[in-house]
Parts: sequence; structure tokens; C-alpha cells
Amino acid sequence: DIQMTQSPSSLSASVGDKVTITCRASQSISGFLNWYQQKPGKAPKVLIYGTSALQTGVPSRFSGRGSGTDFVLTISGLQPEDFATYYCQQSYSTPYTFGPGTKVEIK
Amino acid sequence: QLHLQESGPGVVKPSETLSLICSVSGGSVRSSTYYWSWIRQPPGKGLESIGTVDFTGNTYYSPSVESRVTISVDASKNEFSLSLTSVTAADTAVYYCATLEKYLPFDNWGQGTLVTVSS
Repeated sequence: DIQMTQSPSSLSASVGDKVTITCRASQSISGFLNWYQQKPGKAPKVLIYGTSALQTGVPSRFSGRGSGTDFVLTISGLQPEDFATYYCQQSYSTPYTFGPGTKVEIK
Repeated sequence: QLHLQESGPGVVKPSETLSLICSVSGGSVRSSTYYWSWIRQPPGKGLESIGTVDFTGNTYYSPSVESRVTISVDASKNEFSLSLTSVTAADTAVYYCATLEKYLPFDNWGQGTLVTVSS
């Protein structure tokens, strides 16, 4: 199965900061990379799919890029509601594996 | 819009079998569009994909649980299920059912159900 890694595992940032989270797949996933946001006690919510497509209703401060095995989620202008854990996930092949997560905390 | 709802016991004894059901509304488990999946999250940890079943009944399991897991569809009840045998404390987690379309993200999730393995 395809292994997903993320970095950093956690970060501290302030409101208004630009935040970048990276995700790497153990083999090429042809752009089938999705990003989720999860808050405590809630199911994950899709932010970005297919590397860079913004899910309906997601603010434009979230963006994604990448190709092959390396992908990036950027939050441009962190808002209070963005403090959460972020996961990448590949939908290229089963099992549809997730990265270990990046916790974004308030500085 | 699909709606998913997990149900099942909240506590399972070690060595026994964990069984959960995901009830589906707003769509059919017979649909060729969707892949029906189970995902779990141990307390304070990340998300783990357990496995997936498609409309033909083909299943795809994570190697970490493949020897112990069965996911199946019951079209007559419009639901799909998870069975995990020989559980240990390491199987304690919130279990989510979720769906995706091929190559797309998990965009429909149940609310999750906590299953604790304890005697």
C-alpha cells in the first residue's frame, strides 16, 4: 500500500500568518491527493481534492499544489477557526491511506 | 446528499469480534458510483483507513488488519458493515463509515462511534 508522510507534525502560528504543510507519498499518486481539516470530536472535512481543487464552501485562503509524490497545503492568512489538525490522503489506490496529520496550534 | 450513520456496541471484550453497521440514506449501496469504507481513529491519534467495498462486493483491506477484517454490503437493508475479529486494546478507536467516488475524496462521513475494547 501507499505510505503517506506529513511535515511538520505540529506547528504554532499566529492569526494572519501564512502556513505551509507538506505531504509526501511513497510512490506517484498522479495528483489524486486530498486535504482534510479535523476539529476535536468531529469527522474530517474536505478542504482540497485532486491536489488543488477547492471543495465547495471552503475559503480561498486554502490552496494546494504539487505533483507526483510531493504536495503542499497552504493557508494564506490564518484565521482563528483554522486551528485544527490537517490530514492528507491519497485516493489513487486502495487502501486509501492518510498521512499522520499536522496539528496547527495558536502561538 | 448521502447521509451515513454508524451503529453498534460501544464496548467489546478482548479477543471478541467488533461488529458495526453503517446505515445509508439519500442513496443506494447498489450504486456503482460509490466506494463504501471504514476508517478509524484511536484516541488522540490519526486516521487509519481500514478497508473499502464496492458495489460488486469487491473488498480492499489495509494490510494492518487484513487477516481479521470483513466489510460487506447488505443491499436489502441499504447498509454496509464492519467485522473485526480477535480485538485487543489497540483496536479501541472512533470508527467512521465514509464514502468516496473513484479518485475523489471521502466527502460523506458518519458522525463516528467510539468502540472501547475492555473486559
